[in-house]
Amino acid sequence: KAGVTQTPRYLIKTRGQQVTLSCSPISGHRSVSWYQQTPGQGLQFLFEYFSETQRNKGNFPGRFSGRQFSNSRSEMNVSTLELGDSALYLCASSQGQGASGANVLTFGAGSRLTVL
Amino acid sequence: DQQVKQNSPSLSVQEGRISILNCDYTNSMFDYFLWYKKYPAEGPTFLISISSIKDKNEDGRFTVFLNKSAKHLSLHIVPSQPGDSAVYFCAASDGNNRLAFGKGNQVVVIP
Repeated sequence: KAGVTQTPRYLIKTRGQQVTLSCSPISGHRSVSWYQQTPGQGLQFLFEYFSETQRNKGNFPGRFSGRQFSNSRSEMNVSTLELGDSALYLCASSQGQGASGANVLTFGAGSRLTVL
Repeated sequence: DQQVKQNSPSLSVQEGRISILNCDYTNSMFDYFLWYKKYPAEGPTFLISISSIKDKNEDGRFTVFLNKSAKHLSLHIVPSQPGDSAVYFCAASDGNNRLAFGKGNQVVVIP
């Protein structure tokens, strides 16, 4: 069973540009969540999608957006990039809702974004 | 504000000894707690979890203890092995997939 796949793994952008990151969840998983990991803040929740609907949103500015497609694949977009957006962006999938023993989040390896 | 806190950013332990990682939380609505392990260049991997209705959960060498009154949980690894060297994240949920993570503890197991 394939795991969570994130592309691209590494990318470099300059300030003011925009970026789109992609996530393919485990087959059968309908929930996709995104997290930002930085050395100073640890992992911070961005948003969660379930059946193409955003169900939860973290405390990030509107420059951060996402969407989910009918096949559960998800993309996140960051517009007008700032230096502080340099981070590891992690996608996680699960079968349903609620962090329980039967619904543990499985993470991808992440997309490492560097903003110059 | 940081709802899940992990102090002591790094821990070094001899192989075969016990590793103890601590985690404190502030949100009394959290009812499920998880530990993830992360190796460099990989995503976090689920390790063990505990529901708020329990005070202990054990899985092989890993045991998680929960003290609800103190809003404190800990992860015990016994015996520690070199392959356990990684960053460990404590996470908490209030019933949805929005996990609040601590900043992580770097564990180094010395052979």
